[in-house]
Formats: sequence, structure tokens, C-alpha cells
Amino acid sequence: AQSVTQLDSHVSVSEGTPVLLRCNYSSSYSPSLFWYVQHPNKGLQLLLKYTSAATLVKGINGFEAEFKKSETSFHLTKPSAHMSDAAEYFCVVTSSWGKFQFGAGTQVVVTP
Amino acid sequence: GAVVSQHPSWVICKSGTSVKIECRSLDFQATTMFWYRQFPKQSLMLMATSNEGSKATYEQGVEKDKFLINHASLTLSTLTVTSAHPEDSSFYICSTQRQGGGETQYFGPGTRLLVL
Repeated sequence: AQSVTQLDSHVSVSEGTPVLLRCNYSSSYSPSLFWYVQHPNKGLQLLLKYTSAATLVKGINGFEAEFKKSETSFHLTKPSAHMSDAAEYFCVVTSSWGKFQFGAGTQVVVTP
Repeated sequence: GAVVSQHPSWVICKSGTSVKIECRSLDFQATTMFWYRQFPKQSLMLMATSNEGSKATYEQGVEKDKFLINHASLTLSTLTVTSAHPEDSSFYICSTQRQGGGETQYFGPGTRLLVL
């Protein structure tokens, strides 16, 4: 069985400072991992994905994530937060059937 | 990323009526589409997997007779909420998956349903 845990339900950062969103997963096989962002009342936009190639994955809008198998983690980072980064972020792990298992989400607030 | 549209973007209906939500894959032919619902401040929960030309596969606890899914073409899937009740009020989101394109899902903008 697969599961995904987002360790922080809320993260508040100042504009221009780094952002770290933590995600741990468990899986009985080698899954694919994704980060999606959702702005209020909108659908989900793909930020990046890990599919067993490079462990450091670069995504859109300056985001990147590092897959650490030993720690079963896939944390999302951005060096400098922008006001437009305020949104809900979801970490996703795939099941053996290709279905998505969503984390509970992390709400990011960016203050001026 | 791929473009997925949903229609309508929001709908208000009376209890007991049925509501149809359309999901269209605009960039590619999607053999598989997924339907999710999302309650306020919560994550997405998979309702069903829609395969073109065959019956949808529903997740445990989702009533297939209440949430009718039709995937009649490679670019269109519909979700009909039959005899809607206030507890069906939610944000419904579809996603598409490209055949041979890996596991990435591309999500629609969602449909907000309010049942009075």
C-alpha cells in the first residue's frame, strides 16, 4: 500500500525567503512522485515529477524537489518566495495501478 | 502542460435534481480520465476512473448509481450527479492521462456544485 504524509498543514514565509514543504511517502515498490499546486477555486497545476531518473528534480516557477530513498522523502523547495506562490500544495504518490494518492496538502502563506 | 476544460465552472441546483459536469481533454486523446471530489480545506479524493468505451471503475464507498460516468469519446467524459442532495455539494475535479505518456495527470479547473 502507498501513503503520503505532508508534515506541515500550514507554512508561512516572508517574500524573498526560502520555502520548504515536506513530504514523506511509503510504498511497497518504486513509485512516481509529484508536486501539484492549487490556487483558490482552481484546478491543480503540475509543478514537477520524479520518475526514477535524476533524484533532484527541477520544476516550474523556480521550484525543485529532491528524492531521498533512504529517508523516503520528496521535499519541495524554492530559494526565494514570491507573493504569487501563496497557494495549496499537494504531494502525490502513485499506486501500482497508476492511481494518485494525495497528501493532505500544505497551505502556503507569503507575507510582504 | 495539457489543457483540460470543465463545464460548468459552478452550478447551483435544487435538491433532487440531476447535474451533469463535462470534462474535455483539449490537447490529446485521453483513454483514461479520473474524477475527484474535494471538500473545503481538504485534499482530493478519487471517485472513479473513466475509461473510454468501457464502464467506469468506482472507488470503494462511491455510489455508481448516484455518480454516473460516461466516457463516450477520447476527449470527453461526463459526470452526472443524480438526485443531488446538499451533502453532494463539493468541488469536482477531473483529470486526464495521456496514453503512453506516463502517469502524469492533467487537471481541469474544477466545478463547484452547491445543492440547496
